[in-house]
Amino acid sequence: AQSVTQLDSHVSVSEGTPVLLRCNYSSSYSPSLFWYVQHPNKGLQLLLKYTSAATLVKGINGFEAEFKKSETSFHLTKPSAHMSDAAEYFCVVGKTSGGYNKLIFGAGTRLAVHP
Amino acid sequence: DTGVSQDPRHKITKRGQNVTFRCDPISEHNRLYWYRQTLGQGPEFLTYFQNEAQLEKSRLLSDRFSAERPKGSFSTLEIQRTEQGDSAMYLCASSSVTGAAGGYNEQFFGPGTRLTVL
Repeated sequence: AQSVTQLDSHVSVSEGTPVLLRCNYSSSYSPSLFWYVQHPNKGLQLLLKYTSAATLVKGINGFEAEFKKSETSFHLTKPSAHMSDAAEYFCVVGKTSGGYNKLIFGAGTRLAVHP
Repeated sequence: DTGVSQDPRHKITKRGQNVTFRCDPISEHNRLYWYRQTLGQGPEFLTYFQNEAQLEKSRLLSDRFSAERPKGSFSTLEIQRTEQGDSAMYLCASSSVTGAAGGYNEQFFGPGTRLTVL
């Protein structure tokens, strides 16, 4: 069975400081892993994806994540937070089969960015 | 706007009533997914279509729920005899089937329909 655990339900940072959102996964085989962001009243947007290529994955808006198999982790980071980064972030594991992904979402981490 | 659209955006209904939601995917996408998101949780997979064929259904999709995609374009999700526990955000996503790097075709999400059952 596949699952993801987001270790923090809320994270608060000051503008300009680093962001770290933590995610651990469980999968019986090599997983596909994603981070999605959800802004209020907007659809979920893909930030980045890991599909067994490079372990350090770069996404949009300066975000990146590192796949660490030994730690079963896929933490999301950004060097410097912007006010516009305030949103809900979801770590997601997916089973890929012929391009179809059944996505399994974590419970989410709400990121607050303070001036 | 060529993204995924959902209608209505909000629906308030009384317990026991039937409701129907519509999803219009990105026009060239032939895969369509429904998810449900309750307050404070991540979305949960409900069902998946490839063209008009419904290929997978979650155990979450009780017999009060039915989804259709009659012509392989838009899809509807109907909930019969609504219960208060059905209150949630219902999300639709679509993706293409053409080959993509890593075998993953990105799912593009609509803004969702928020259902409140009184």
